[in-house]
Amino acid sequence: QVHLVQSGTEVRKPGASVKVSCKASGYTFTSHYINWVRQAPGQGLEWMGIINPIGGGTSYAQNFQGRVTMTRDTSTSTVHMEMSSLRSEDTAIYYCARSTLDGPPFDYWGQGTLVTVSS
Amino acid sequence: SSELTQVPAVSVALGQTVTITCQGDSLRGYFASWYQQRPGQAPLLVMSGQNNRPSGIPDRFSGSSSGDTGSLTITAAQAEDEGVYYCDSRDTTTYYVVFGGGTKLSVL
Repeated sequence: QVHLVQSGTEVRKPGASVKVSCKASGYTFTSHYINWVRQAPGQGLEWMGIINPIGGGTSYAQNFQGRVTMTRDTSTSTVHMEMSSLRSEDTAIYYCARSTLDGPPFDYWGQGTLVTVSS
Repeated sequence: SSELTQVPAVSVALGQTVTITCQGDSLRGYFASWYQQRPGQAPLLVMSGQNNRPSGIPDRFSGSSSGDTGSLTITAAQAEDEGVYYCDSRDTTTYYVVFGGGTKLSVL
């Protein structure tokens, strides 16, 4: 059974950084990409970027370039998403999602991690 | 182009058929994928490719595509089909993933 289990709720002040993790199980970690998608309160889905677990190669959406870093640890089958220079508009639920290709469809999703940015 | 357009809300009577559409230039080159999101839950893939249903998705869900429009059809809609449905695809210029704004489905 495929599972993506994310780290817990985070609260940060504006200007700070946050690191969210996504631990994969139930499949060969290096056989699927991991994407990050966020959802602001009451809003739609926004794709942030993708990481290839084999070599760690990444691609970030333009809105997040320079502020987001995605990394992976193959020894623990875990992907991390770190975002810096947080602002209130970054308050959202952050999801990791698996894909077989370097793009959609996203066949399994993590449960989501709420990140709140507030002074 | 990077936009996918969805109608914000649709309703359907219990047991009737409803079609949710997604329009955008990128759909001329890529099939839409479709996700169902119930309140407080993560999105769930319900359709991908030309008409591929993941394991566990009822066969009342079907997908199609024509020109710049992708469609998700639910035949004999059930109460548990309520939720917000999102489509996605790839921007033809940047190759980045784009999502539609979502369509809230109400089953009356």
